[in-house]
Amino acid sequence: KAGVTQTPRYLIKTRGQQVTLSCSPISGHRSVSWYQQTPGQGLQFLFEYFSETQRNKGNFPGRFSGRQFSNSRSEMNVSTLELGDSALYLCASSYRDGNYNEQFFGPGTRLTVL
Amino acid sequence: DQQVKQNSPSLSVQEGRISILNCDYTNSMFDYFLWYKKYPAEGPTFLISISSIKDKNEDGRFTVFLNKSAKHLSLHIVPSQPGDSAVYFCAASAGAGGTSYGKLTFGQGTILTVHP
Repeated sequence: KAGVTQTPRYLIKTRGQQVTLSCSPISGHRSVSWYQQTPGQGLQFLFEYFSETQRNKGNFPGRFSGRQFSNSRSEMNVSTLELGDSALYLCASSYRDGNYNEQFFGPGTRLTVL
Repeated sequence: DQQVKQNSPSLSVQEGRISILNCDYTNSMFDYFLWYKKYPAEGPTFLISISSIKDKNEDGRFTVFLNKSAKHLSLHIVPSQPGDSAVYFCAASAGAGGTSYGKLTFGQGTILTVHP
């Protein structure tokens, strides 16, 4: 079974631009979570989608948004990029709903904002 | 407010010996705990998990221990191998529903180096 895939793997943008990152979960997984990893803050939860609905959101500004499609693929968007948005963005998928769920991560998208 | 803490930034171990990685948490609502391994330029890889109804879970060379009263968990790797060298993260989740959906809270990670 193919793992979680994320595209693109690397991205360079300038301040003020916007960016869209894509995530394809493991086949059959309906829950997709997004995380931001930075050296200073570690791994921080952004949001989670299940059946095309955002069920949970972390403590990030409204510039960070996402969506999920009917095939469970998900995208996240960051508008008006700031230097501090430079990070590794990770997507994770999960099979079961509810608690006691392992999340399986993709390789991440490395975003650099200049 | 760091709810999951890994107080040791790094750990160095000889091949064949035991590696013990520690993690503390403060949120009493956490009831499911996971360990992930991460290599540079890759996403975290799931290793092992434990629910709060257990105090031990084993999978091959990996064993996780949970001490709920102390809000402490540890990952034991026996025997350690050079290929185990990576960053190890512990993570926790708090039930299902509301602000818990799909959310794992991670520690800052511990760099494990296993010397041949």
